[in-house]
Amino acid sequence: SAVISQKPSRDICQRGTSLTIQCQVDSQVTMMFWYRQQPGQSLTLIATANQGSEATYESGFVIDKFPISRPNLTFSTLTVSNMSPEDSSIYLCSVETGAGANVLTFGAGSRLTVL
Amino acid sequence: LAKTTQPISMDSYEGQEVNITCSHNNIATNDYITWYQQFPSQGPRFIIQGYKTKVTNEVASLFIPADRKSSTLSLPRVSLSDTAVYYCLVRPAYSGAGSYQLTFGKGTKLSVIP
Repeated sequence: SAVISQKPSRDICQRGTSLTIQCQVDSQVTMMFWYRQQPGQSLTLIATANQGSEATYESGFVIDKFPISRPNLTFSTLTVSNMSPEDSSIYLCSVETGAGANVLTFGAGSRLTVL
Repeated sequence: LAKTTQPISMDSYEGQEVNITCSHNNIATNDYITWYQQFPSQGPRFIIQGYKTKVTNEVASLFIPADRKSSTLSLPRVSLSDTAVYYCLVRPAYSGAGSYQLTFGKGTKLSVIP
């Protein structure tokens, strides 16, 4: 299955700043998915990133707050803009592997704490 | 979109078999059932996937009744290292455009007790 590297693994940020999270996959993939996991909660899909087109955002998430880039088939970035303490979460990158019926592989996540 | 329901938490002693059931009453004909395991500070990891009847791999078994409205993940002889959150996810094998059905339920927090 694919191997996903995320950077940073964790960061502490100040209110009002922005942070960009990088996701690198060791193989070419069509779709990349960005999730948020708030403390003690399940995973919530933020958006789906397809190379060469605009990301598709889920209800409750907007491009101005979570801009996404997908410059090629192995890389994507998620920016959390104008952060507030409510944005403190783990942000996870995911791809569909070739194993099974669209099985998902996840990165280790990026833990953001906003002060 | 098949909604899933699982118990919020379960406790088990080491060495016991653990069965976690997921309800998915409105599962569609082309949906597969996939279970993931998540440890603290890690992303979810694939455990097992099935469509019907029984599937077994080196870590778990998955039992799916004929009506497919539920599924049971069975972990044989659990150890402390099996303490984690377990999620079932129901989605089609081939995602159509604009319909990736990637909504996770609340998951089941399994605590293994010495």
